[in-house]
Amino acid sequence: QVQLVQSGAEVKKPGASVKVSCKASGYSFISYDINWVRLAAGQGLEWMGWMNPNSGNTGYAQKFQGRVTMTRNTSINTAYMELSSLRSEDTAVYYCARLGLYWGQGTLVTVSS
Amino acid sequence: QSALTQPPSASGSPGQSVTISCTGTTSDVGGYNYVSWYQQHPGKAPKLMIYEVSKRPSGVPDRFSGSKSGNTASLTVSGLQAEDEADYYCSSYAGSKIVVFGGGTKLTVL
Repeated sequence: QVQLVQSGAEVKKPGASVKVSCKASGYSFISYDINWVRLAAGQGLEWMGWMNPNSGNTGYAQKFQGRVTMTRNTSINTAYMELSSLRSEDTAVYYCARLGLYWGQGTLVTVSS
Repeated sequence: QSALTQPPSASGSPGQSVTISCTGTTSDVGGYNYVSWYQQHPGKAPKLMIYEVSKRPSGVPDRFSGSKSGNTASLTVSGLQAEDEADYYCSSYAGSKIVVFGGGTKLTVL
């Protein structure tokens, strides 16, 4: 069965970076784009961008341009999302997803001094 | 890339029907038949309820239905049940692999 398993919770200081991983199994990793979506407390779902695991091509939401980098390691079927220059407003649960049916369990990133 | 507009809340009694709207523009909802609806319970990942405006994934009850008219999509939940209480989000393709979500609607079953 298709599974996306994400790395554990992170606590970061303002200005730092965070890198969240998303390990895929149960399907051909290079055949489907991975998207990243976040949910901050009291806010709605927010799409951050997509990555094609085959080519490595990416596309980012305007809001995150310059601060987000999405990469992958095809040898271990894992996608990564790195967000830099963190601020308190970035405190959220970050999800990887094959948009539609398959989502990771979410990774809580807390930004606090 | 502006968020789609949803009402912040909706409610209904068990057995009733409720409809949640999702308004976008000709660049997203109105321009593509790629509107999806997700249900999210607290602490859980979103669950796909409707895709491509009106299609239901396997296992989703037929109490859930979707439609679209112009720049506005709608999700209707018929025969409300207690377990339907959750946050609901619409999303739409907006071209060039861009996706936009709505702000979410909290559905309360009275």
